[in-house]
Amino acid sequence: DQQVKQNSPSLSVQEGRISILNCDYTNSMFDYFLWYKKYPAEGPTFLISISSIKDKNEDGRFTVFLNKSAKHLSLHIVPSQPGDSAVYFCAASAHAGANSKLTFGKGITLSVRP
Amino acid sequence: DVKVTQSSRYLVKRTGEKVFLECVQDMDHENMFWYRQDPGLGLRLIYFSYDVKMKEKGDIPEGYSVSREKKERFSLILESASTNQTSMYLCASSLLRLASEQYFGPGTRLTVT
Repeated sequence: DQQVKQNSPSLSVQEGRISILNCDYTNSMFDYFLWYKKYPAEGPTFLISISSIKDKNEDGRFTVFLNKSAKHLSLHIVPSQPGDSAVYFCAASAHAGANSKLTFGKGITLSVRP
Repeated sequence: DVKVTQSSRYLVKRTGEKVFLECVQDMDHENMFWYRQDPGLGLRLIYFSYDVKMKEKGDIPEGYSVSREKKERFSLILESASTNQTSMYLCASSLLRLASEQYFGPGTRLTVT
């Protein structure tokens, strides 16, 4: 049973416009959420995170929004740049657990057109 | 900067061979993880370790084992490689037991023929 869902496998946006990547989760014990970015032939790199005590976290062009009641989070990239083209993974963890295991979604491939 | 290194970027092995994938981190992190990444399936956790000589099964441990004899090194072992273990293998580490941010190595593309 997939606990972290990224239902759209791909997204294409024009350079300079906003990219919105969505993620849904089913486990109500999740209280910490992360986004990772992955280029081909490289390992994922951490992008931004949010704790369940917040509903928004911003870092430069990247903002993550969390809607706990809907069990939904989204990553906004404004403005989008061609270098943002990559696979984006949403991940979640339950800090109440005994370890820092992450559960990942399947990923979304973002293409930013020049 | 945290550095996680993996012994090989590309590896080709034959069915039935024993395969060792090595991972080393240089930041004294407590936790280490092995994932595999397959198209359409995302990252799936194979095994993880939160201390030397400790290991816990992830979501897909079948066909794999691990070894953590030293804090900085975490090895993934395929006892008898099979073609369905052809995949990208990613190692990661995190600082504290309850910290969630993980740092990944570059990955090993394993092909089993």
